[in-house]
Amino acid sequence: GAVVSQHPSWVICKSGTSVKIECRSLDFQATTMFWYRQFPKQSLMLMATSNEGSKATYEQGVEKDKFLINHASLTLSTLTVTSAHPEDSSFYICSARLGAVGYTFGSGTRLTVV
Amino acid sequence: QKEVEQDPGPLSVPEGAIVSLNCTYSNSAFQYFMWYRQYSRKGPELLMYTYSSGNKEDGRFTAQVDKSSKYISLFIRDSQPSDSATYLCAMSADGNNRLAFGKGNQVVVIP
Repeated sequence: GAVVSQHPSWVICKSGTSVKIECRSLDFQATTMFWYRQFPKQSLMLMATSNEGSKATYEQGVEKDKFLINHASLTLSTLTVTSAHPEDSSFYICSARLGAVGYTFGSGTRLTVV
Repeated sequence: QKEVEQDPGPLSVPEGAIVSLNCTYSNSAFQYFMWYRQYSRKGPELLMYTYSSGNKEDGRFTAQVDKSSKYISLFIRDSQPSDSATYLCAMSADGNNRLAFGKGNQVVVIP
């Protein structure tokens, strides 16, 4: 089946540094990739929608300068958390649409900023 | 009012019992309804996908959609310890639109 590979699965970084998360669609082309954030015992909150070759669309309240999204090819989208702070610690998940049968998700990245 | 309401539980059931989960929603434009299973520290995986109203069955899983009541359900028959996970409902208006998620329902199946 269609797989989205997300890396890294976990990362610990110092406050003020930047972290890049990658999502690759392994056996299909992902024209659109969605980036979510999930806090413990909470639902997935959509952060932004990225389309290959164009600028991402951010949800209200999400800082586009802090969460940089690049979707340079049909198989790769990246999320860079810039100047990370402890409040950015969360579980980040990417997702790609699978035609008429829903969406497939990456395995998630647990970010801890210390 | 949130777009999608889902009681987060948790829900504990003995092995072999029927698990019943549900979500309500407020946006009448929603046409696509999904249930995802999420294990701890993992991404969600699609369980069931339903378009518009009706029932859909896949093995031990049954999804029901009642658009008139804005209510969707997921039933798990003969529950197994491996079914222990968080179940999220999700829905969208036109399939190309963003997904709106419920909070998720943590289910524990006790052997």
